[in-house]
Amino acid sequence: DIQMTQSPSSVSASVGDRVTITCRASQGIGRWLAWYQLKPGKAPKLLIYAASTLQSGVPSRFSGSGSGTDFTLTITSLQPEDFAAYYCQQATFFPLTFGGGTKVEIK
Amino acid sequence: QVQLQESGPGLVKPSETLSLTCTVSGDSISGSSYYWGWIRQPPGKGLEWIVSMYYGGSTYHNPSHKSRVSISVDTSKNQVSLRLSSVTAADTAVYYCARWSGDDLLEFAVDVWGKGTTVTVSS
Repeated sequence: DIQMTQSPSSVSASVGDRVTITCRASQGIGRWLAWYQLKPGKAPKLLIYAASTLQSGVPSRFSGSGSGTDFTLTITSLQPEDFAAYYCQQATFFPLTFGGGTKVEIK
Repeated sequence: QVQLQESGPGLVKPSETLSLTCTVSGDSISGSSYYWGWIRQPPGKGLEWIVSMYYGGSTYHNPSHKSRVSISVDTSKNQVSLRLSSVTAADTAVYYCARWSGDDLLEFAVDVWGKGTTVTVSS
């Protein structure tokens, strides 16, 4: 299985901060990586697919980059509604696998 | 707007079979060109893909659960169902219904999720 390693596992930040989350695949996955936002009691939300394509309706402060084994999700100017958990997922090999998650907390 | 709503028992006894249903509104499972499936999140842990199917086409399982998992569609109710047999405490999780954004699992992402339903395995 492809192992997806996210870092950090948690980050404390303030409104307006820039936050960067990284995701590393145990082997090359091309550009087939997605990022999701999870909040308790709510349906998870697709943010980014194909490593850097912003899902329709997602604010432009979210961006993704990377290819091969190393990927990043960046949130510029963190907003109150962005405090949540974020997960990456590879879509190149079966079984589909997710990263361990990054919790963005209020400082 | 496509919506997915999971339903099922919140408590299941060890060794029994967990059965969950996902009711789809705003789209037709049989008429669409998407994969539908299930993902779960055990307490304090990350997300885990379980199984996905394309109506009238292929089904893909996570090998970790393949022998215990089945997925089916009821087109008359526009529902997709999950059955997980011989459950243990390790199957305690929030279970999410999911729709993939294309007619393949590879290269596509989950663009529609349900809110999830919590299942506890305990006697």
